Amino acid sequence: NAGVTQTPKFQVLKTGQSMTLQCAQDMNHEYMSWYRQDPGMGLRLIHYSVGAGITDQGEVPNGYNVSRSTTEDFPLRLLSAAPSQTSVYFCASRGGANNQPQHFGDGTRLSIL
Amino acid sequence: DQQVKQNSPSLSVQEGRISILNCDYTNSMFDYFLWYKKYPAEGPTFLISISSIKDKNEDGRFTVFLNKSAKHLSLHIVPSQPGDSAVYFCAASASGSARQLTFGSGTQLTVLP
Repeated sequence: NAGVTQTPKFQVLKTGQSMTLQCAQDMNHEYMSWYRQDPGMGLRLIHYSVGAGITDQGEVPNGYNVSRSTTEDFPLRLLSAAPSQTSVYFCASRGGANNQPQHFGDGTRLSIL
Repeated sequence: DQQVKQNSPSLSVQEGRISILNCDYTNSMFDYFLWYKKYPAEGPTFLISISSIKDKNEDGRFTVFLNKSAKHLSLHIVPSQPGDSAVYFCAASASGSARQLTFGSGTQLTVLP
C-alpha cells in the first residue's frame, strides 16, 4: 500500500523556471492538500481540494497553481520560481468523513537559486 | 498571527521518564486537535487526536489532554523511549472549513538513553 507518493524527492531550480510537483494517493481519498514547511514555522497550507474538479486556496497560495482532474492526483505548479519558494513541500490526503487524520507523503525538498 | 503555538522549540528527557509537550491555540472555533510526529526526511505521521467534547484521550504510551477554557493541550508520553525522538507538531481544525489543519511550529523531542 503506497499511501501518498510525492515526486521528485529533491529539485533545484533557477529563479524564473517553472515546474510541477507531483502527488498521488491510492486510498481513494476525497480531500487532498499541499503544505510547505519552513524552519520555525511549522506547516502552512498552500492549496487544497475536497474532490475532483474542486480546489481552493489555503494560507499561502501566491505563486502556486493546482488542479484536480482525478481523485488520485493533485499536482502543484510553480509558475515562475522565486528564492522565497525554497522549502520542503508536503502533500496530504484524508477520507471524506470529518475528523479523519491526514496522511502525508515524504515531501519534496525544493531549492530555488 | 499564529493561531496554534508551540512555545518550546526543543525538549530533552531521559529514557523511561515522562515527556510533556505543550500547545496553545487562540481560535475558539477549533474543535478537533491532532498530534503528528515527524522524523527527518519523512512526512509527518498521525499520532493521536482529541475532539473538543473530550478532555483526555489515551492510546498506549500516548495521552493527549485538552483544557478548553485555557485553550491549551498537551501530549504526554510515558515511558519515553529513544525511538520517540522526533519533531512533534500540534494541529487544530474547525468544522465547516473542510477541516483544514493549522499547525504549530513543532517541538524537537530528544530522548536520552
